[in-house]
Amino acid sequence: DAGVIQSPRHEVTEMGQEVTLRCKPISGHNSLFWYRQTMMRGLELLIYFNNNVPIDDSGMPEDRFSAKMPNASFSTLKIQPSEPRDSAVYFCASSLRGRVAEAFFGQGTRLTVV
Amino acid sequence: AQRVTQPEKLLSVFKGAPVELKCNYSYSGSPELFWYVQYSRQRLQLLLRHISRESIKGFTADLNKGETSFHLKKPFAQEEDSAMYYCALSSGSARQLTFGSGTQLTVLP
Repeated sequence: DAGVIQSPRHEVTEMGQEVTLRCKPISGHNSLFWYRQTMMRGLELLIYFNNNVPIDDSGMPEDRFSAKMPNASFSTLKIQPSEPRDSAVYFCASSLRGRVAEAFFGQGTRLTVV
Repeated sequence: AQRVTQPEKLLSVFKGAPVELKCNYSYSGSPELFWYVQYSRQRLQLLLRHISRESIKGFTADLNKGETSFHLKKPFAQEEDSAMYYCALSSGSARQLTFGSGTQLTVLP
């Protein structure tokens, strides 16, 4: 297994544009997490899914952020409209529910909003 | 609510010196604690977990419930240990991880 796969690796966009980040979890994993990493705040949980269902989205900063998981092998995180303060590294991670929560992380998407 | 606190954002030690990265947590139940490491330009990866009581790359961490701490220790730091270290807590049935803010460790030659 190639692990958790995120795309794109880097994204540079102008303020106001829509940004879509993608994630493919490890096959067989049924929990998926989206995290945001910044220098100031470290790693913050944005949202997580169990069996494709969003369980807790309390970490989503505002309505401009939305996440979907249409099936067990794909998830998206969308920001619309994007703002410069959204610039960060966004990580997707997956794990097996019912076991010790060791999440496997993707390599992240570095987003820069100018 | 659970919280993980890493009081040091930056920590520098010389090669061969002991290193301790501090982690304190608050949680009312029985937590599961982890240390994650992120080397430069690499993905975040699990380093160790308290239930395994293992030593990985010379690092150990002991859960101290009385002090609600899970400090990461290594007796002799190496330059390749330079990385960002995150302490994390897993709680309840939600199976989510709460991370601390991270400590950037730099091991000087």
